[in-house]
Amino acid sequence: EPEVTQTPSHQVTQMGQEVILRCVPISNHLYFYWYRQILGQKVEFLVSFYNNEISEKSEIFDDQFSVERPDGSNFTLKIRSTKLEDSAMYFCASSGVLEYNEQFFGPGTRLTVL
Amino acid sequence: AQSVTQPDIHITVSEGASLELRCNYSYGATPYLFWYVQSPGQGLQLLLKYFSGDTLVQGIKGFEAEFKRSQSSFNLRKPSVHWSDAAEYFCAVGLNYGGSQGNLIFGKGTKLSVKP
Repeated sequence: EPEVTQTPSHQVTQMGQEVILRCVPISNHLYFYWYRQILGQKVEFLVSFYNNEISEKSEIFDDQFSVERPDGSNFTLKIRSTKLEDSAMYFCASSGVLEYNEQFFGPGTRLTVL
Repeated sequence: AQSVTQPDIHITVSEGASLELRCNYSYGATPYLFWYVQSPGQGLQLLLKYFSGDTLVQGIKGFEAEFKRSQSSFNLRKPSVHWSDAAEYFCAVGLNYGGSQGNLIFGKGTKLSVKP
């Protein structure tokens, strides 16, 4: 069964450093998303991406964040200068055209900012 | 503003007992509703979804949920809980932009513990 994959599973970084979180969505999906979950809190939407551009973003997704689909398979989230409060689990999700909003989630990347 | 409320933070049930997890939403348009389950260290797995039509929807692992528009609720049920159902359950609303893709808004989750 096709699935969304994410790498790395755990990333530790120093405050102020740049990190790139990687995702491989399901191959025939066209909509891509990033969500985050701070420990003990709910899952929050960050950004959605379609047709090589951002279609929607939340207030959390400020200038420190960017997304890219550098090739036909990867979807990345970059945080330019990490802050302590960026520590969270980051989930990538993808969905197809016909399954409206039925988003398939990856296992997540746990980001720890020290 | 759109929101999802899961009033129970933690529920403990005995194995074999029935289960109901509550979910209320606030959304002006026709909602798209989902339940996801998250096992420790795992991602989010879709249990079931409601788009339209029959208000009682069946999902995987023996779960079902009922959409009640008048109560703005989408409660998750299972008639007999198994120990493997212990996990965290998230209710979500999918925003509807005239049929185009929208993001999901999640509730805070309900942690389910199962007693032997």
